[in-house]
Amino acid sequence: EAGVTQFPSHSVIEKGQTVTLRCDPISGHDNLYWYRRVMGKEIKFLLHFVKESKQDESGMPNNRFLAERTGGTYSTLKVQPAELEDSGVYFCASSQGQGTPYEQYFGPGTRLTVT
Amino acid sequence: ELKVEQNPLFLSMQEGKNYTIYCNYSTTSDRLYWYRQDPGKSLESLFVLLSNGAVKQEGRLMASLDTKARLSTLHITAAVHDLSATYFCAFRPMNRDDKIIFGKGTRLHILP
Repeated sequence: EAGVTQFPSHSVIEKGQTVTLRCDPISGHDNLYWYRRVMGKEIKFLLHFVKESKQDESGMPNNRFLAERTGGTYSTLKVQPAELEDSGVYFCASSQGQGTPYEQYFGPGTRLTVT
Repeated sequence: ELKVEQNPLFLSMQEGKNYTIYCNYSTTSDRLYWYRQDPGKSLESLFVLLSNGAVKQEGRLMASLDTKARLSTLHITAAVHDLSATYFCAFRPMNRDDKIIFGKGTRLHILP
């Protein structure tokens, strides 16, 4: 069974440009999460989808970030316009359900570099 | 505040030596995690610890949990080069939706 996949693996853009990251969760997983690790810092929660609905978006840094999950399958995270401080690794995770005993499975991450 | 203090953040050690990574977390949790990440790869779940006094071992790695002290340790026995990676401690706070709170990670470099 395929794990969580993310595309692209690495993106380099200039400040002010737009970038869209994609996450494909494990098939059948209703829950999808986005996290981000800025260099040298902890991995931080951004938001949580249950199917196509946003359950918790308390970690989204500002309104330059827009996450969508149309149809409850894959998700996109758009950064527009990108700023230097947005550089980091963006992880996606998915789980079959919420709470115990469901675990989150992580993708390899997308490394975003804003120059 | 929900947070994890992990130390050390960088560790360079010789093969064959033992060492321990410490993890303190801030609030009551129903799950304590240890993950491993190799460069460019996914976060690999190593251990999930559920209860006070839990101890789990896999090869040269052993994790333990003290929920009263809100402390977990990851002990490395007779380190080998293949264990070089970044190790993250994380917890899921009780009754706080489904987010996982991570530490900054410990970058472990084992010298041959």
